[in-house]
Amino acid sequence: DQQVKQNSPSLSVQEGRISILNCDYTNSMFDYFLWYKKYPAEGPTFLISISSIKDKNEDGRFTVFLNKSAKHLSLHIVPSQPGDSAVYFCAARGGTSGTYKYIFGTGTRLKVLA
Amino acid sequence: KAGVTQTPRYLIKTRGQQVTLSCSPISGHRSVSWYQQTPGQGLQFLFEYFSETQRNKGNFPGRFSGRQFSNSRSEMNVSTLELGDSALYLCASSPGWNTEAFFGQGTRLTVV
Repeated sequence: DQQVKQNSPSLSVQEGRISILNCDYTNSMFDYFLWYKKYPAEGPTFLISISSIKDKNEDGRFTVFLNKSAKHLSLHIVPSQPGDSAVYFCAARGGTSGTYKYIFGTGTRLKVLA
Repeated sequence: KAGVTQTPRYLIKTRGQQVTLSCSPISGHRSVSWYQQTPGQGLQFLFEYFSETQRNKGNFPGRFSGRQFSNSRSEMNVSTLELGDSALYLCASSPGWNTEAFFGQGTRLTVV
């Protein structure tokens, strides 16, 4: 049972345009969401996060939007750059203080075309 | 500050063998989590240790086990290896509360 879903396994975007990566979740108790970026042969690196009490968080070119009623979050990258080409994982935090665990989606491979 | 270090980077084992993977967290981090990454499955949570205690466990068989030492270093052990255990095993460390986790480069395990 996949509680965090990234339904698009891949996405291609032209350099300079907006990249939108989507993530859906099923558990309304998740209270914290994160996006990670992963290059081949490297571990995932943290990108941006959002608490469930917010609906938007912005960090430079990266913005994460959270729609709790739809159980949906998205990552916007504007403008997209070739160096953004990587696999992006969304993750949701579940559990209670002291027993948190993160559940990851299956990832979306973003390719930014020069 | 040194990042999360996982050893070895690559490993080839045969079915039925057992394997131990090692993870050294970022200095000062007391929480270590382990994940298995396979194509199409994303990162599957294995378990999490905090101050030498397993705080959380994913849905993996008992062949997968781990431990954490007093210096926060952690090891993961897989016994009676199966072909399906071939994967990238990632370790992540964090201070232990409401923060993002920092990942190591992973250990690529191939079972033949």
